[in-house]
Amino acid sequence: DIQMTQSPSSLSASVGDRVTITCRAGRSISSYLSWYLQRPGKAPKLLIYFASNLQSGVPSRFSGSGSGTDFTLTISGLQPEDFGTYYCQETDITPYTFGQGTKLYIK
Amino acid sequence: EVQLLESGGGLVQPGGSLRLSCAGSGFTFRTYTMSWVRQAPGKGLEWVSAISGSGGTTYYRDSVKGRFTISRDNSKNTLHLQMNSLRAEDTAVYYCAKWIPNYFGMDVWGHGTTVTVSS
Repeated sequence: DIQMTQSPSSLSASVGDRVTITCRAGRSISSYLSWYLQRPGKAPKLLIYFASNLQSGVPSRFSGSGSGTDFTLTISGLQPEDFGTYYCQETDITPYTFGQGTKLYIK
Repeated sequence: EVQLLESGGGLVQPGGSLRLSCAGSGFTFRTYTMSWVRQAPGKGLEWVSAISGSGGTTYYRDSVKGRFTISRDNSKNTLHLQMNSLRAEDTAVYYCAKWIPNYFGMDVWGHGTTVTVSS
């Protein structure tokens, strides 16, 4: 299995801040990396697919970058509705492992 | 509106069986690979299984191989997960999800159904 490691595990930020979450794969996954946001008690929501492609309907303040083993999710201009837990997922090979999650708290 | 709606969760004893279902609507169901993803209480997301649009190809994570069977009925736009020999560690919310083609990510998710394995 490919190990997916996110950092940080949690962070607190203010409305309007720029936030960066990183995800590292245990081996190269090309650009087969997705990002999701899960709000408490809700299903995950796809934000970014294939490392840098913004899912339809997702605000442009979300962006993704990276390839190979190192990936980044950036939120430019944090909004109150952005709180929740962010997960990366490799979609290169089964078992399509998720990262452990990054919990984002809004100050 | 594109929607997925799971059903079939519940309380089952260790060693028991349960069959989950997921009804899709608002999209051409037979065209898309589908998956089950679970989340144990207070834990992260864990991919469980996937099935191709035709149903001819299936994938499982190692911990459920031989115990779980994914299937689909494209005439009824329905996805299933037959779970046998259930263990306490299978306790989780189970989500069904639709894949973007070429395994680029899962763009539509159901609300989830809860499976509790306990005596």
